[in-house]
Amino acid sequence: AQSVAQPEDQVNVAEGNPLTVKCTYSVSGNPYLFWYVQYPNRGLQFLLKYITGDNLVKGSYGFEAEFNKSQTSFHLKKPSALVSDSALYFCAVKNFNKFYFGSGTKLNVKP
Amino acid sequence: DTGVSQDPRHKITKRGQNVTFRCDPISEHNRLYWYRQTLGQGPEFLTYFQNEAQLEKSRLLSDRFSAERPKGSFSTLEIQRTEQGDSAMYLCASSPLPTAANTEAFFGQGTRLTVV
Repeated sequence: AQSVAQPEDQVNVAEGNPLTVKCTYSVSGNPYLFWYVQYPNRGLQFLLKYITGDNLVKGSYGFEAEFNKSQTSFHLKKPSALVSDSALYFCAVKNFNKFYFGSGTKLNVKP
Repeated sequence: DTGVSQDPRHKITKRGQNVTFRCDPISEHNRLYWYRQTLGQGPEFLTYFQNEAQLEKSRLLSDRFSAERPKGSFSTLEIQRTEQGDSAMYLCASSPLPTAANTEAFFGQGTRLTVV
């Protein structure tokens, strides 16, 4: 069975500080991993993905994520947070043509 | 805007009524997905199409739910005899046939259903 865990319901960070949003996964076979962001009353917006290759992937708006196979993790990171990054972030794994999402982490960036 | 379009954005209905939602995917995207999202949860898979063929439907999905994609372009999701537990955001997403470089799905803004 495949599953995604986001252990933190909420992450608070000050503007300008680095941020990390955690994600661990369980999937049979090679994982296809994704991060999406959701603003209030909006759909999900694709940020980045890991398919194969370099463990550090870069995406939109300065975000990046690090794939760690031994820890089955795919943490989202950004070196310097912006207030406008405040939103709901979802980690997802794709398996057998379907996306499985975590429960989401609310990121609060304070000025 | 050539993104995924969903209509309506909001729907309030009385319990027991039928509702139908429409999704227009990105042009030429072969795959179309329906997801449901309740407050505080991540999106939950409902069903997906490849062209006009419905390839999979969640086993958790009540038979009151039905989806179609008659010409392989737009799709409709119908809920019959709505219940309060059906209140949620219904998300549609589309993607091209996956390749090594192109596996992500693109989501619409969703239809928020409230059953009163």
